[in-house]
Amino acid sequence: AQKITQTQPGMFVQEKEAVTLDCTYDTSDQSYGLFWYKQPSSGEMIFLIYQGSYDEQNATEGRYSLNFQKARKSANLVISASQLGDSAMYFCAMREADSGNTPLVFGKGTRLSVIA
Amino acid sequence: DTEVTQTPKHLVMGMTNKKSLKCEQHMGHRAMYWYKQKAKKPPELMFVYSYEKLSINESVPSRFSPECPNSSLLNLHLHALQPEDSALYLCASSQDTWGQQPQHFGDGTRLSIL
Repeated sequence: AQKITQTQPGMFVQEKEAVTLDCTYDTSDQSYGLFWYKQPSSGEMIFLIYQGSYDEQNATEGRYSLNFQKARKSANLVISASQLGDSAMYFCAMREADSGNTPLVFGKGTRLSVIA
Repeated sequence: DTEVTQTPKHLVMGMTNKKSLKCEQHMGHRAMYWYKQKAKKPPELMFVYSYEKLSINESVPSRFSPECPNSSLLNLHLHALQPEDSALYLCASSQDTWGQQPQHFGDGTRLSIL
């Protein structure tokens, strides 16, 4: 079964508007971490934000925030005040931690295009 | 600028060539990773090194041979590659393989097999 689901292959947003990128996950572990990465066309994977399964507060990093709804197993990324430089592929990823050394599993990604 | 440095940025090689990809980090991380990424797909894990020992090999063909000479360096030796091996190869590091520290990625090496 797919562990990370990103249902939006592509999204468009107007510059300066906010946008939400969806991510749902599937795990039976109690301890896990959720991550969002940005990948511009140049190729580098840029770490944006992290949410731990036991964190009670939603994570925030500058213009990025993570809307964590544990019961629904969703971890949506919210980008506020979009900029042209936000145009990129965005990957949601999860790492299960109950059994220790487990790999990071990525979703298929959402391509965000910011329009001037 | 990324704190994980990968060289070369681009590599074109024939199927009979031998080449190596290099990755270096100076963040004191003890876990290092190789990923392969095809166009429009997410990265796929190839190898994980933990404290300079290979801990995960995701059934990668033997034409890919990883090496971790020390805690800062990670190499990927390539030999007799196939055209389907053309991809972006990403190196990453994290504090260790336990816990929930994020993995930090390099810029990648774009590999083309002729």
